[in-house]
Amino acid sequence: QKEVEQDPGPLSVPEGAIVSLNCTYSNSAFQYFMWYRQYSRKGPELLMYTYSSGNKEDGRFTAQVDKSSKYISLFIRDSQPSDSATYLCAMRHTGNQFYFGTGTSLTVIP
Amino acid sequence: DADVTQTPRNRITKTGKRIMLECSQTKGHDRMYWYRQDPGLGLRLIYYSFDVKDINKGEISDGYSVSRQAQAKFSLSLESAIPNQTALYFCATSETGSLGGEQFFGPGTRLTVL
Repeated sequence: QKEVEQDPGPLSVPEGAIVSLNCTYSNSAFQYFMWYRQYSRKGPELLMYTYSSGNKEDGRFTAQVDKSSKYISLFIRDSQPSDSATYLCAMRHTGNQFYFGTGTSLTVIP
Repeated sequence: DADVTQTPRNRITKTGKRIMLECSQTKGHDRMYWYRQDPGLGLRLIYYSFDVKDINKGEISDGYSVSRQAQAKFSLSLESAIPNQTALYFCATSETGSLGGEQFFGPGTRLTVL
């Protein structure tokens, strides 16, 4: 079983829709949870970071962590064509290694 | 100028050739990483280094070696390239002591081994 599971999509939504991206994980020691956005032919860039359980909001983006279910989500409100990218979840425990999901490809149609 | 740069950006080589991918950073971070990205497999860690004298194997280090020439430079070598090393390679950096250890990625090197 992989440490982190993420549905690869692809996901296609109309502009203005609410997007929900999800990851599940198996290691209960994970404490730090991140979402990266990767545009085509670019390196990933950090979008959201949360520590432990709870929600964090930044503009149109909300990151949610449910440690009891080992489940994290990223919500995008009022999605825009510029949000079209691959979204990678990542997580880490107190050790030094980051564990990434495989990424979900999102297309927002104007 | 980009904070994390990688050279070359694209490389096509033949089986058995020795290849070096280079990474430089101006962020002043101590920690540097090499990943490869494959469709359906995501990002997988090859090697990481927490300072010039520290080198650690990641999840998939077989067939690769690294050199940390300076705080700002971290090179990845394929001693004898094989076709299943065809992938997108990313260098990343992070700051020692940051809570989550946010990583900053370079633009990637697309390597094709024929």
